[in-house]
Amino acid sequence: SAVISQKPSRDICQRGTSLTIQCQVDSQVTMMFWYRQQPGQSLTLIATANQGSEATYESGFVIDKFPISRPNLTFSTLTVSNLSPEDSSIYLCSALDGGANYGYTFGSGTRLTVV
Amino acid sequence: AQSVTQPDIHITVSEGASLELRCNYSYGATPYLFWYVQSPGQGLQLLLKYFSGDTLVQGIKGFEAEFKRSQSSFNLRKPSVHWSDAAEYFCAVVLMNRDDKIIFGKGTRLHILP
Repeated sequence: SAVISQKPSRDICQRGTSLTIQCQVDSQVTMMFWYRQQPGQSLTLIATANQGSEATYESGFVIDKFPISRPNLTFSTLTVSNLSPEDSSIYLCSALDGGANYGYTFGSGTRLTVV
Repeated sequence: AQSVTQPDIHITVSEGASLELRCNYSYGATPYLFWYVQSPGQGLQLLLKYFSGDTLVQGIKGFEAEFKRSQSSFNLRKPSVHWSDAAEYFCAVVLMNRDDKIIFGKGTRLHILP
């Protein structure tokens, strides 16, 4: 299955700034996803990122706050903009292997603390 | 409403004891079913998955899960837990006609007593 390298693993950011998270996959994947996981909670899907098209956002998440890029089939970024303490969370990317070994692989997560 | 339910938020078992984590789903058709484990500060690791066929699925780290269509359940089991099994466990489903979105349960945190 695919292996995902996610960076940074953690960061502490000031209010009003932005953080860009990168995910690099070791193989080409059609679909990538971005999740938020608040402390002690399950994963909430932010958006689906397909190469060559705009990301599709879930209810409650907007492009201005969470712009996503997907320039090719192995890479994606999520930016969390205009940070507030409420954005403190873990952010994870995921890639779907839709072939014979169907399944999802996850990055190791980015722990964001906004101060 | 369509959902994935993990009724136990926390479970505590003694090292060496058996384990069963419950998962129920409410969808019209049989979805693809997954169990993931998340250790503190880590991403999610796939333990096992079920698509079709034999309803007893073997996974990594000595885990297995049994799909029961009549109960809409996919419970995770391990005959003897190790201290290293302490983690958060997530059941998840994928509806193949819903853009391949994976939907997670709220998770069960497993605590191991020495």
